[in-house]
Amino acid sequence: DTGVSQDPRHKITKRGQNVTFRCDPISEHNRLYWYRQTLGQGPEFLTYFQNEAQLEKSRLLSDRFSAERPKGSFSTLEIQRTEQGDSAMYLCASSLDWGALSTGELFFGEGSRLTVL
Amino acid sequence: KNEVEQSPQNLTAQEGEFITINCSYSVGISALHWLQQHPGGGIVSLFMLSSGKKKHGRLIATINIQEKHSSLHITASHPRDSAVYICAVRGGGADGLTFGKGTHLIIQP
Repeated sequence: DTGVSQDPRHKITKRGQNVTFRCDPISEHNRLYWYRQTLGQGPEFLTYFQNEAQLEKSRLLSDRFSAERPKGSFSTLEIQRTEQGDSAMYLCASSLDWGALSTGELFFGEGSRLTVL
Repeated sequence: KNEVEQSPQNLTAQEGEFITINCSYSVGISALHWLQQHPGGGIVSLFMLSSGKKKHGRLIATINIQEKHSSLHITASHPRDSAVYICAVRGGGADGLTFGKGTHLIIQP
């Protein structure tokens, strides 16, 4: 397993366009998190999944944002009608949280950098 | 909502120095993570703590649950330790992590 992978690594788009990011977690990990990071700031929590269920969403996740994890494996994060303020690094992380097997350790992808012109 | 404060925000030190980075949080937690982020964005998990102390190589992390405080120490610092170190906590009613803004560490040769 090569770890958490994200695609694309960079995306430049015009304001008003829709963009979609994909995250492939470590295969046996049941939890998947999305975070957003702007320059000079720590990451901010957006949402997370336990298997295919979306269990928590931040108030940062406006109705233009939607995330899915349809089969409990990969996840997509879609931003509709992008705005310049959406420009950020979108980070995905996964972990194994399953009772006695849980380590709680997070494994991050390299991130998808979005630039909205 | 948990508030996570890190200090210092920036730290420049000479190779070989003992480094301490501090993290304080406002609400009780179930776990605290120390993360390392290099330029370009990649984040690596260094430690996850719920109590006591952990050591890995030259890195040591401690947590005091009563005082809501954690420290990350680097012994015999090296230029390759230059990175942003981020404290993140889980708890306070949320499963998603709450992150500090990070400490930008530069180790000069």
